[in-house]
Amino acid sequence: QSALTQEASVSGSPGQSITMSCTGTSSDFVSYNRVSWFQQHPGKAPKVIIYEVTKRPSGVSNRFSGSKSGNTASLTISGLQAEDEADYYCCSYAGSGFSYVFGSGTKVTV
Amino acid sequence: QVQLQESGPGLVKPSETLSLTCSVSGGSIRGYYWSWIRQSAVEGLEWIGRIYSHGATSYNPSLKSRVVLSIDTSNNQFSLQLSSVTAADTAVYFCARESLGELLLNYFDLWGHGTLVTVSS
Repeated sequence: QSALTQEASVSGSPGQSITMSCTGTSSDFVSYNRVSWFQQHPGKAPKVIIYEVTKRPSGVSNRFSGSKSGNTASLTISGLQAEDEADYYCCSYAGSGFSYVFGSGTKVTV
Repeated sequence: QVQLQESGPGLVKPSETLSLTCSVSGGSIRGYYWSWIRQSAVEGLEWIGRIYSHGATSYNPSLKSRVVLSIDTSNNQFSLQLSSVTAADTAVYFCARESLGELLLNYFDLWGHGTLVTVSS
């Protein structure tokens, strides 16, 4: 199974909006809504910020939003803040038997 | 609040078996899927496998031949065994819980802090 492809890095200024993508083969996105996004600060565990493509867990800022079109899922961070500087990973269902696959990760610099 | 804590040796010799345990505190292990995920600089995040509280398992096809997951509901913990390890298995190992969303799809909602396992002689 191949990893999902993400941009290596994205940068923006405070207050701006940025969008990052997560592209997979059609077999990766068999279950079309099984896409989640994680934020990871250095030395910390990943934290879910989006699940089921568009949903935010309780406590996650509404500055984070998710979407999907075809084989590409996207994460947008609006009103960029210094604390958003982190690595972001997408995750989806791999489709073969039952298996999860993660994206290669995007480093966000503010 | 539910917390996960990984434990086990931080150093394993090549060809030996890596064994880790994840202890669940503040809530029951029953009724959930529990996964192991690892992260290395080379491979990034890699899902290893998962086990349901009743014992049903699923494994990453690329690791399936070397992985065994088990669960101990009476002690609220689950375990990973990865056999015949090499330097490529050096990584931070996380345990994680899966919860169901509104569309009844699973996602990783809770993670342990992670534990570094180095494979070296």
